[in-house]
Amino acid sequence: GIQVEQSPPDLILQEGANSTLRCNFSDSVNNLQWFHQNPWGQLINLFYIPSGTKQNGRLSATTVATERYSLLYISSSQTTDSGVYFCAVCESNFGNEKLTFGTGTRLTIIP
Amino acid sequence: NAGVTQTPKFRILKIGQSMTLQCAQDMNHNYMYWYRQDPGMGLKLIYYSVGAGITDKGEVPNGYNVSRSTTEDFPLRLELAAPSQTSVYFCASTPSGGIQPQHFGDGTRLSIL
Repeated sequence: GIQVEQSPPDLILQEGANSTLRCNFSDSVNNLQWFHQNPWGQLINLFYIPSGTKQNGRLSATTVATERYSLLYISSSQTTDSGVYFCAVCESNFGNEKLTFGTGTRLTIIP
Repeated sequence: NAGVTQTPKFRILKIGQSMTLQCAQDMNHNYMYWYRQDPGMGLKLIYYSVGAGITDKGEVPNGYNVSRSTTEDFPLRLELAAPSQTSVYFCASTPSGGIQPQHFGDGTRLSIL
């Protein structure tokens, strides 16, 4: 099956700093989603981005499908950005659209 | 719309007990999924359904059963609870597969003691 690798595994930043999270995947995908799992365990859907670039406030994401990676940018970090960020993909050659998750990047924002 | 609703939010079971985790969605989505998340890990797919009456195994189906008698509901059953099933369980849905984002419930935290 498809492999999804996220880097870095852990990231500690001062409030106000910018960060870039990376997701590499091993095969063609027709679905890529970025999630934020908050300290209460809820999965917040950030972006649905199988290709191209999207922005939502301080967050933006870019997926280069031909090179099999996606980047999540967080600018002017706030303490509420802390949590685990997951990338998840669906392989293009399946009809069942099962999401495969990476192991996540744990982001800690220090006041 | 409530979206994807999971009940209960928390549960403690004894080894060998059985229980059903409930998942309901009010978005008329065809596809529904059950995932489990172990501590410090990403989510892994247990079972999924592409429509009422149709279910299939995911990556980690052993010890679980599902049914899909209606479009709205997709319950997950644990028949003989084992400590290895201690996890957080997430249900998700999507209108159709692959080209639509999946919507997740808030999860059920299950401990087997």
